[in-house]
Amino acid sequence: DTEVTQTPKHLVMGMTNKKSLKCEQHMGHRAMYWYKQKAKKPPELMFVYSYEKLSINESVPSRFSPECPNSSLLNLHLHALQPEDSALYLCASSQDGRNQPQHFGDGTRLSIL
Amino acid sequence: GESVGLHLPTLSVQEGDNSIINCAYSNSASDYFIWYKQESGKGPQFIIDIRSNMDKRQGQRVTVLLNKTVKHLSLQIAATQPGDSAVYFCAENSNYQLIWGAGTKLIIKP
Repeated sequence: DTEVTQTPKHLVMGMTNKKSLKCEQHMGHRAMYWYKQKAKKPPELMFVYSYEKLSINESVPSRFSPECPNSSLLNLHLHALQPEDSALYLCASSQDGRNQPQHFGDGTRLSIL
Repeated sequence: GESVGLHLPTLSVQEGDNSIINCAYSNSASDYFIWYKQESGKGPQFIIDIRSNMDKRQGQRVTVLLNKTVKHLSLQIAATQPGDSAVYFCAENSNYQLIWGAGTKLIIKP
């Protein structure tokens, strides 16, 4: 079992829907990440939060909106997604980001109809 | 830009034998490297890491070797078991960002 919990595990939504992905960790980590992973590819970084502040946005389209309500929680709000956004969305956390291993959840499998 | 790559996309190993997964990196200034294991339907699982001031680091049944001269990283798995079947990624950790290799799929033959 992973120490980073992601919900839901699976999500199917239409292009006009609004949904949110959730991530929680209780390891006291202060850096949290969102990644997108396509089949047979490595994860691609989307966002990084450090001490609850957005520190990196890898030119992600505005239809993806991250939120970090507190040091244990990370959300990804989804709106007006496209079929090509279908992927596995992974959350990770690390102690403070600098030369520390990132620990991943098992992801949310997102399908856009 | 910097990149981390793998030589073999798929590796088949007899159960009980040792597995060696290789990785090349291009940034000689990289100072921290990580190996992840990703099983089907799961997120990447941290296996072992190594800093550039070390050449070798051992864990339980796994060893990571770092050759800075040729910018090469390898993961050795001793006595490979069916549960080792997965995709293995090497990654270079540069500040907050992981630069990932393409991944190697390890297949265990009974």
